[in-house]
Amino acid sequence: DIQMTQSPSSLSASVGDRVTITCRASQAISNSLAWFQHKPGKAPKPLIYAASTLQSGVPSKFSGSGSGTDFTLTISSLQPEDVATYYCQQYNNYPLTFGGGTKVEIK
Amino acid sequence: EVQLLESGGGLVQPGGSLRLSCAASGFTFTSYPMNWVRQAPGKGLEWVSTITGSGVSTYYADSVKGRFTISSDKSKNTLYLQMNSLRAEDTAIYYCAKRALLDSWGQGTLVTVSS
Repeated sequence: DIQMTQSPSSLSASVGDRVTITCRASQAISNSLAWFQHKPGKAPKPLIYAASTLQSGVPSKFSGSGSGTDFTLTISSLQPEDVATYYCQQYNNYPLTFGGGTKVEIK
Repeated sequence: EVQLLESGGGLVQPGGSLRLSCAASGFTFTSYPMNWVRQAPGKGLEWVSTITGSGVSTYYADSVKGRFTISSDKSKNTLYLQMNSLRAEDTAIYYCAKRALLDSWGQGTLVTVSS
């Protein structure tokens, strides 16, 4: 199974800060990586697929990069509505696997 | 517009059974693999199972293999998850989601396994 390791597990940043979350796969997954935003009581919201392609309707302040084993999700200017837990997920192989999540809070 | 609506969750005793349903609309149901993903209280997201659009192939997490069965009814555009021999650790919100890249999600249905 492919293990997905996210870091940090939590972060606290100020409004307007640039925030970066990293995700590392235990083996190469090409660009078969997705990112999700999850708020309590809501369904996870797809943000990015194919490592860097924004899902329809997702604001451009979110961006993704990487290929192979190392990936990043960046929020260019953190806003209060971005408070959530963010997950990466690989879909190169079954079983599909998620990172452990990064909880983002406002300082 | 893609819509996924789960139902069938509830309270069940350990060792019991439950069948979840996910009614799909807004896309060609047989063209895409469909998945079940769950989130236990205080935990992260966990993939549970996938069925291909044709229904020919299925995949399961080791944690549910032999106890859960995924299926689909093309005539009803509905995905199912039959859950048997339920354990306390199966307590979670269960979501259905479309495609391996999980590009659309339902709102989830809560399954609680407790005596």
